[in-house]
Amino acid sequence: SQKIEQNSEALNIQEGKTATLTCNYTNYSPAYLQWYRQDPGRGPVFLLLIRENEKEKRKERLKVTFDTTLKQSLFHITASQPADSATYLCALGMGNTGKLIFGQGTTLQVKP
Amino acid sequence: DADVTQTPRNRITKTGKRIMLECSQTKGHDRMYWYRQDPGLGLRLIYYSFDVKDINKGEISDGYSVSRQAQAKFSLSLESAIPNQTALYFCATQTSGSSDTQYFGPGTRLTVL
Repeated sequence: SQKIEQNSEALNIQEGKTATLTCNYTNYSPAYLQWYRQDPGRGPVFLLLIRENEKEKRKERLKVTFDTTLKQSLFHITASQPADSATYLCALGMGNTGKLIFGQGTTLQVKP
Repeated sequence: DADVTQTPRNRITKTGKRIMLECSQTKGHDRMYWYRQDPGLGLRLIYYSFDVKDINKGEISDGYSVSRQAQAKFSLSLESAIPNQTALYFCATQTSGSSDTQYFGPGTRLTVL
């Protein structure tokens, strides 16, 4: 069956450390993958996109990797801050339809 | 003003009632989507529309219908609400480029008693 899985348990880290969030999928062949941030009571906000032929993308303190052999994406936040505390969603993009398939999200808590 | 707006933001209704959730956008995007979000299940696609005359079912369309009244407006209806439709509902827009970002509204929290 098709599945997309993110760390189900909340991730708690200390301010200044690097947070690493995982997104694994099975029986999908995504053309690209996106990461979104969602704060409580708000809609998701786009962060980064990485395509199937790209290994790594960076944006400021954010880095995402995409391994189509392992069927996994890793999302890193370096020098984490309490303001980074939120739920992070990965989403698989299945070609030119524009449709996204979302994971259930991982909640990150950064403690001062 | 927000680019994607949803009304109402909160709604409590009773089983069997007809409910309409509305979404408006000022981004000029052709593509619009309706999702529901349940704890532990992530966002699931209900319906999507690539333009006013192109409407498609998503993975969980049963019990829902939609109307694309204009490029800027996409409404979701629950013809006869049931308790398991209690959820957070999001509208999103997207440009016609296939891998472009989706822009989400603030959500509607719907409770069906």
